[in-house]
Amino acid sequence: EDKVVQSPLSLVVHEGDTVTLNCSYEVTNFRSLLWYKQEKKAPTFLFMLTSSGIEKKSGRLSSILDKKELFSILNITATQTGDSAVYLCAVEAADNFNKFYFGSGTKLNVKP
Amino acid sequence: EADIYQTPRYLVIGTGKKITLECSQTMGHDKMYWYQQDPGMELHLIHYSYGVNSTEKGDLSSESTVSRIRTEHFPLTLESARPSHTSQYLCASSARGNIQYFGAGTRLSVL
Repeated sequence: EDKVVQSPLSLVVHEGDTVTLNCSYEVTNFRSLLWYKQEKKAPTFLFMLTSSGIEKKSGRLSSILDKKELFSILNITATQTGDSAVYLCAVEAADNFNKFYFGSGTKLNVKP
Repeated sequence: EADIYQTPRYLVIGTGKKITLECSQTMGHDKMYWYQQDPGMELHLIHYSYGVNSTEKGDLSSESTVSRIRTEHFPLTLESARPSHTSQYLCASSARGNIQYFGAGTRLSVL
């Protein structure tokens, strides 16, 4: 059964801390892995990863994929209260429809 | 910023009512999706569409139905709402690339 597992389920840190969010997957015919940030409304796209070992970076956020060990991490450095959100990991399968499998998310709470 | 809209944002209705959740996108995307998300849980795909006149059921069994008469419009209908339908419903679309853009969601409460 295809699945995506994220850890930890929730995390409380203080501003300035660095956090690492984990996403492991078992998906047949892997095509890509995506990270989203979900606040009170729509999930917004952060990164798409298709190749192992190549870091994607955007400001204080970065992510990397390991296709051999079947996981990805999302790092956030110098966290701010605005980083508080649920971070979703999704894996796309290269089937007829390119179906996406989502993890349950990591809820990050950054305290001042 | 993605142009995908869902209405209503919040809906509280009684058991047995028929409801339609609206989803529209102005990006010309072929693929559209409906997900159901309970608090603290993962998104579950309930319906998807390749394009006009194409609809398929997703992984999670759902008593809802969808239609795709126009590229930009992908409404979801519940013929007779029940308390078990209480959830958040997220609509998404994507082009040939694989990034899904999400609407703001509809929070449905069935009393």
